[in-house]
Amino acid sequence: NAGVMQNPRHLVRRRGQEARLRCSPMKGHSHVYWYRQLPEEGLKFMVYLQKENIIDESGMPKERFSAEFPKEGPSILRIQQVVRGDSAAYFCASSPPGWAAGYTEAFFGQGTRLTVV
Amino acid sequence: DAKTTQPNSMESNEEEPVHLPCNHSTISGTDYIHWYRQLPSQGPEYVIHGLTSNVNNRMASLAIAEDRKSSTLILHRATLRDAAVYYCILTSGGGADGLTFGKGTHLIIQP
Repeated sequence: NAGVMQNPRHLVRRRGQEARLRCSPMKGHSHVYWYRQLPEEGLKFMVYLQKENIIDESGMPKERFSAEFPKEGPSILRIQQVVRGDSAAYFCASSPPGWAAGYTEAFFGQGTRLTVV
Repeated sequence: DAKTTQPNSMESNEEEPVHLPCNHSTISGTDYIHWYRQLPSQGPEYVIHGLTSNVNNRMASLAIAEDRKSSTLILHRATLRDAAVYYCILTSGGGADGLTFGKGTHLIIQP
C-alpha cells in the first residue's frame, strides 16, 4: 500500500505564473488535508477536503489559492499568479473519516517545495 | 492558533529515555491528543494518540495527566534517528481548529 504521494517534489515558478501541486491519498482514504510550512515554522492548516467537497477552507488565503479533490484523480492545490511570499513547503495528508474528530491518524506526503523566483 | 504549548527545544543522550511535555490547559472533553514528528526535509510522521488513558505502541508511550491539561510523549530509548521536531496537537469535533500544528519541540540527540 503506497503512502501519500505528492508531486512534484520541487517546483520553481516565476512571479505571476501558476503553480499546481498534486496529492494522491493513500488507498481507501477519503479525506485530504493541505498544509503550508515556511522555513523554521510549524505547519499551517490550509484546507480539508472530501471527494468532490471542501469541508473546511478556513486556512486558505482568500485570493489566488484554490483546492479540489475530484471524484477521480489526485487532489490539486492551485496557486495563481505566484508571489515570492508563496515560497514554502506544501504538505498533503490523507486519512479515513475521523482524523479531524480525533480518533484516527493521518498520513503525510513528502511535500512539494515551491520556490518563486 | 495551536491549542498546545511545547518547549522550543530539548536535548537528550542516545540510549536514554526522553520525556517530551505538552500543555493543553484549554482541552475539552472530546479533544484527542495526537503526536507527530517531522524529520529534516520530510513530511510529518504519526507517532501516537490518545484520549484519556495512557497509550503504548512500538514507537513511544503517551502519558496523559488525570485532568488532561498536559501530556508527555515518552521515547524509551532514544536513538540518533529520533532527532526531529515533535508536534503535539488536539483534534476534535470534525472541524479544522485542531489541525494547525505549532512550532513543536526540536529534539536533539547527543551520541
